[in-house]
Amino acid sequence: LAKTTQPISMDSYEGQEVNITCSHNNIATNDYITWYQQFPSQGPRFIIQGYKTKVTNEVASLFIPADRKSSTLSLPRVSLSDTAVYYCLVGDVPGGKLIFGQGTELSVKP
Amino acid sequence: IAGITQAPTSQILAAGRRMTLRCTQDMRHNAMYWYRQDLGLGLRLIHYSNTAGTTGKGEVPDGYSVSRANTDDFPLTLASAVPSQTSVYFCASSGFSSNYNEQFFGPGTRLTVL
Repeated sequence: LAKTTQPISMDSYEGQEVNITCSHNNIATNDYITWYQQFPSQGPRFIIQGYKTKVTNEVASLFIPADRKSSTLSLPRVSLSDTAVYYCLVGDVPGGKLIFGQGTELSVKP
Repeated sequence: IAGITQAPTSQILAAGRRMTLRCTQDMRHNAMYWYRQDLGLGLRLIHYSNTAGTTGKGEVPDGYSVSRANTDDFPLTLASAVPSQTSVYFCASSGFSSNYNEQFFGPGTRLTVL
């Protein structure tokens, strides 16, 4: 199971683009890279997932280089409501043996 | 019911007591999971079930047991609670139609063992 490393915390201001990078040097061939968002007193919520190159949805973009040893979650024009903990994880299904790690606590200021 | 529910919302329990945390989903998801979340440690997988009738151990299974008698329910039992099991417990599920690694989480159960 690949372990992930990401910054413990980040600060930003409203309207800025935020990029959170995660390293996963031991990612396996079958592993997907997934990001979750968690607000206080709530369960995590799936944001985006990718295998390689770039993935974009209505919430975020995910950039994955060719070697897949890292990935970057990009949040465009953050607002105060984007203040949350963001988790990067790698794994595949079935088995569900996902490792969440400590996550990155993003604080968006006015 | 819509999605995944957990009960109770919170509980204070005396050490040594038995406790079952309930989890029910109505999405017909085949896989279900139990995590615990402690400050500074993120979420850690306790047990999981890929399909009804099967279960597996996660990262921190000691002191916990699970059963999966049907698709919808996945109870987590603490046979004899200890203070180190004080935590927030999240149940999650995923289905064949989900993205890989996409799990749907319940609202959590905050458990305090004294």
